[in-house]
Amino acid sequence: AQRVTQPEKLLSVFKGAPVELKCNYSYSGSPELFWYVQYSRQRLQLLLRHISRESIKGFTADLNKGETSFHLKKPFAQEEDSAMYYCALSGHQGAQKLVFGQGTRLTINP
Amino acid sequence: DAGVIQSPRHEVTEMGQEVTLRCKPISGHNSLFWYRQTMMRGLELLIYFNNNVPIDDSGMPEDRFSAKMPNASFSTLKIQPSEPRDSAVYFCASSGLGDEQFFGPGTRLTVL
Repeated sequence: AQRVTQPEKLLSVFKGAPVELKCNYSYSGSPELFWYVQYSRQRLQLLLRHISRESIKGFTADLNKGETSFHLKKPFAQEEDSAMYYCALSGHQGAQKLVFGQGTRLTINP
Repeated sequence: DAGVIQSPRHEVTEMGQEVTLRCKPISGHNSLFWYRQTMMRGLELLIYFNNNVPIDDSGMPEDRFSAKMPNASFSTLKIQPSEPRDSAVYFCASSGLGDEQFFGPGTRLTVL
């Protein structure tokens, strides 16, 4: 069965501090992993995906198949990073069916 | 492009009433998804369509829930009869040839 776990419902850090949002997954095949973000009063939107291997808004995420993790990291948090973050998994090409974690609400304190 | 459009944005109804949520996907997208978001269970996929055909409805909680996509530009999610435990935010999303899903603003449903 496909499962995504985000162990932290709430995460609070100070501006300028490093941020790491944890995501672990369970899937027997080769998954595609995504991070989606929902800023206040905005729609849920794609932040990044593991296959693109790019940094978006200073965030990066590396797929670690040994640890079945896809943690989201940013070295220096900014206040505008405050949002709800969801890790998601697709079990095959095309991301036709996404399984989401329960989300982590990130708050950046000034 | 206005993106994915959902209506209504808010719905308050009484237990036992029929509720219909509507979605207009982004023009040209051939996949449409319905999700439900609750505090307890997070974001769950209810059903998705490819080219107007339901592909996977395993997430639909029970027979009270039904979804249709009569054409490429419109889909409905119906709950009949509604119950208080159906209270949630319901999202619609669409995707095209790429795999990114574009979400609508959601419908906040409250069943009293």
